[in-house]
Amino acid sequence: DIQMTQSPSTLSASVGDRVTITCRASQSITFWLAWYQLKPGKAPKLLIYKASTLESGVPSRFSGSGSGTDFTLTISSLQPDDFATYYCQQYNPYSGPVAFGQGTKVDI
Amino acid sequence: QVQLVQSGAEVKKPGASVKVSCKASGYVLTRYNMHWVRQAPGQGLEWMGTINPSSDSTSYAQKFQGRVTMTRDTSATAVSMELSSLRSEDTAVYYCARGIVVVVSATPNAQDAFDLWGQGTMVTVSS
Repeated sequence: DIQMTQSPSTLSASVGDRVTITCRASQSITFWLAWYQLKPGKAPKLLIYKASTLESGVPSRFSGSGSGTDFTLTISSLQPDDFATYYCQQYNPYSGPVAFGQGTKVDI
Repeated sequence: QVQLVQSGAEVKKPGASVKVSCKASGYVLTRYNMHWVRQAPGQGLEWMGTINPSSDSTSYAQKFQGRVTMTRDTSATAVSMELSSLRSEDTAVYYCARGIVVVVSATPNAQDAFDLWGQGTMVTVSS
């Protein structure tokens, strides 16, 4: 099975900062990667799918890049509503069950 | 409004079973696979399996084979997930999540991204 490794596990930032979270797959997943935002007590939210496609309604300050094994989620200018935990997920149709990274908590 | 609404919190004893429901509104349930994902306290997300509501076919993560059952209700507006032989390690928030890909066959699409999530159901297993 594919393993997903996110870094960092915790990130301290301020409003207005540019934030980058990385996700590495144990083998190539081409572009089959999604990013989610989780907040306590709220339904998780899809941000990015197919590595770089912005989900409808998601602010343009979020962007995704990468292919193969290395991927990045970038928040261009951190807003107060963005303090949350972010997870990557691989869903390559050709390589076993979906798998999530261990999460990155973005706090002040 | 397109949404998934889950049943309420549950407290169960070890060895018991729990059934969590997920009602879909604002879209046709049978058009998309429904997945179940859980998050134990302080832990990450874990995929449990999926059901294709148009065919009722399922695909489960190996870890849960033999203990999990995913079904669609007869009204075709809700799905349920039943987990048996509960142990303390099953204490978690359980989410239903809609697959992003439209159903095109009877086979459940286990490899999917999830574009709509329920609010989560807390299941506590404690003696």
